[in-house]
Amino acid sequence: GENVEQHPSTLSVQEGDSAVIKCTYSDSASNYFPWYKQELGKRPQLIIDIRSNVGEKKDQRIAVTLNKTAKHFSLHITETQPEDSAVYFCAASEGGGADGLTFGKGTHLIIQP
Amino acid sequence: DAMVIQNPRYQVTQFGKPVTLSCSQTLNHNVMYWYQQKSSQAPKLLFHYYDKDFNNEADTPDNFQSRRPNTSFCFLDIRSPGLGDAAMYLCATSFHGIYTDTQYFGPGTRLTVL
Repeated sequence: GENVEQHPSTLSVQEGDSAVIKCTYSDSASNYFPWYKQELGKRPQLIIDIRSNVGEKKDQRIAVTLNKTAKHFSLHITETQPEDSAVYFCAASEGGGADGLTFGKGTHLIIQP
Repeated sequence: DAMVIQNPRYQVTQFGKPVTLSCSQTLNHNVMYWYQQKSSQAPKLLFHYYDKDFNNEADTPDNFQSRRPNTSFCFLDIRSPGLGDAAMYLCATSFHGIYTDTQYFGPGTRLTVL
């Protein structure tokens, strides 16, 4: 089955700086890669996703890059703000099927004022 | 508003006492998922329904079962809860089609086992 590794487990950045979270996956059949933000006690919320036919996608301060050959994908957050503090999960699935998501272990992002 | 609803939000049960968690959706999605999320861990897929077809993950304990009586509703049954089953249970839905696999999560049910 799919295995998703996520690094780092904790990331502390100064407000206004950029944050980068990296994930690798094992199953070459995976072609859908979402990122979720989860605040304490709340549901995971989709912040951005990318499919394997695209190398990069951007939405305002958030971007995701995908290197399908290396099986790497990364989340980039620019101009970080206090409300960006949360746990971020990457995930992978064989999109196009109805399979569930395999999640990375999560990154606790802390924005220092 | 279209959404994924879970009831109850908090459930307390005793060791070994069966419990049922409920999920409903107004998105008319054809796939419904159940995830287990233990404290400080990532969500872990238990099983999913694609329409009426049930798909069980290989490592989901037999203690967990699910029912989907119609498109809108899905239930998670825990036959004999143990202390290790205390967790947040998340329901999610998606539409299996060509263009999107986005999964939308419900607010979760936090299960406590005494």
